[in-house]
Amino acid sequence: SQQGEEDPQALSIQEGENATMNCSYKTSINNLQWYRQNSGRGLVHLILIRSNEREKHSGRLRVTLDTSKKSSSLLITASRAADTASYFCATSGGGADGLTFGKGTHLIIQP
Amino acid sequence: NAGVTQTPKFQVLKTGQSMTLQCAQDMNHNSMYWYRQDPGMGLRLIYYSASEGTTDKGEVPNGYNVSRLNKREFSLRLESAAPSQTSVYFCAIVRRATYEQYFGPGTRLTVT
Repeated sequence: SQQGEEDPQALSIQEGENATMNCSYKTSINNLQWYRQNSGRGLVHLILIRSNEREKHSGRLRVTLDTSKKSSSLLITASRAADTASYFCATSGGGADGLTFGKGTHLIIQP
Repeated sequence: NAGVTQTPKFQVLKTGQSMTLQCAQDMNHNSMYWYRQDPGMGLRLIYYSASEGTTDKGEVPNGYNVSRLNKREFSLRLESAAPSQTSVYFCAIVRRATYEQYFGPGTRLTVT
């Protein structure tokens, strides 16, 4: 079963606006990661936040993690048309046994 | 530096046929993974190999076998393909120091 659940499933905004996606998960984690997938392509790693961190920034990306609520959010500021993609959260227990993915948020940036 | 490569890119099989999906990495990482992605879904782990010579089942291993041929290569085999295995298959490696996973471009498989 999927560990993470993203919300919303789809999001359409105007270029220049901020986009916020949320992720909830079920079990304890070592870290949570966000990936981007352009249509028909492989996934690209965006950012990782460890379980002992509450917020992390990378360029126009801001990720928060609330382990008490088992939830995370991804904020993309000043969106661009090139940000149109599906975004997935994925959790890791810290071992070698792979990631558990959510179903993703499909983000469309309107020019 | 190609990173993670997968062959073939596309494949159409008839029910009952067999095939092997190939994955190779040039990043010298120990752990390799096979995921499948169905329409509108996230990725689900099929099998993984934490190091050369070891393999373990993931969330959805039924109908698949794997071989970790050497440190570079990790193959996924469908012995008797079924329509339910129509999916996009991704191979990945993990950068252990940072837990980041790097994905191949995927193999789009259709079973009729």
